Parts: sequence; C-alpha cells; structure tokens
Amino acid sequence: DTAVSQTPKYLVTQMGNDKSIKCEQNLGHDTMYWYKQDSKKFLKIMFSYNNKELIINETVPNRFSPKSPDKAHLNLHINSLELGDSAVYFCASSRARIAGAVNIQYFGAGTRLSVL
Amino acid sequence: AQSVAQPEDQVNVAEGNPLTVKCTYSVSGNPYLFWYVQYPNRGLQFLLKYITGDNLVKGSYGFEAEFNKSQTSFHLKKPSALVSDSALYFCAVRQSSGNTPLVFGKGTRLSVIA
Repeated sequence: DTAVSQTPKYLVTQMGNDKSIKCEQNLGHDTMYWYKQDSKKFLKIMFSYNNKELIINETVPNRFSPKSPDKAHLNLHINSLELGDSAVYFCASSRARIAGAVNIQYFGAGTRLSVL
Repeated sequence: AQSVAQPEDQVNVAEGNPLTVKCTYSVSGNPYLFWYVQYPNRGLQFLLKYITGDNLVKGSYGFEAEFNKSQTSFHLKKPSALVSDSALYFCAVRQSSGNTPLVFGKGTRLSVIA
C-alpha cells in the first residue's frame, strides 16, 4: 500500500477552470502538507494541517483552498487556474507538529499540473 | 528567517568515487537539518537528519552528512558513488524550537557516471 497517495498524477486543464487534487495518507499521521515545486525544482510549502486544523498558510493566492475532511485526507482546490499555477504539487504527512519535535515528512509521488 | 543554500545546481562524479553535495543554512537558534532525495517522477524520500549529538550522521543507502556549526554547513557525503545514486538532492532546515515550517534548498542534481 502506498503510504501517501495523490490523485490525479497528471492534470491538464485550461486557464480559468477549477480543479482539485486529492491526498490521502494511511500512516496514521496527524499532520499533512501541500508543497509546490516549480519548473526549476524549487520546493516551497503552501499549507499545513494538524488534525484538520490549518497551522501553516504561506503566502498563497486565495484561489488555493485546502480542505481536510479528516486527518487522513488533505485536498487542494484551485479556482480560476492561471498559467503560473503550472507546477508539480506534492502532498506530505508527518506525525503531529508539536513545537520543537522532529518529524520526518513522507511525500506522495506528486501531481503534475499543466495549465494551458 | 530560515534559509538553505545549495551552491551547486549539478554535481558530476564517476562511479566508485566519493561524492559530496554541499549545503549551508541560516536559522535562529539550533537547527534541525535534513537531506531528502527525489528520483525522477517520484516524491521526496527522507535520507537522514541531524538533531543533536554526534556531528556525523549516517542515513539510508550509505549516505552520511556532517554537521559543522561554525561553518553552518551540513554537507552530504558518500564514500563510493553508484550510478543509482543519480537523483535530485534537497537539504532542509527548521528551527529546533517553535512551530516553523521546514525550509528546503533549491536542490542539487547528482549525476553518477559509469
């Protein structure tokens, strides 16, 4: 079984559309993350949820809205897609983010989003 | 603010030779340091971490990294490179206190040539 799974693996869509990427982890972790990796491979955190509560929200357009129905899922919804949204989006999970704790993050395989 | 610098975009090494992938960091207080590896079309995989204690940490696949506080570095090393080590390597740092996110470097592509 894949520990952190994302769907779809590839997503090709037109500008202006709304799309969602789903993420599920079966590791029993409390914390989940969304990262964006741009064309130069630079990886930057977007959001983090701890037990369904938003704890990190970096400077991301409000067109991006994460939703965590339960602690095993963190979905990413993107409204009004723009060309600059084209990237690979990675979901990750770790044990609970207690201040000062060291938690290894486990990553999904990524969703390659192409906005045309 | 936390930051990580990986000064080399690309490192080329012959199979069997030792390899080094460089990383320097900036963080308030004590750091937690990590190395992750990304193979093509895959997510990042954890390699090793430094929290405290021995400055030389050993990780997966024969990799190790040395924490140097005075030089604020955490270089990744392996005594004998394999072609299968070819991948993208990311260094990451976060503060040991507080609830700050993990900050990644821009990655270094390692190519091991047979």
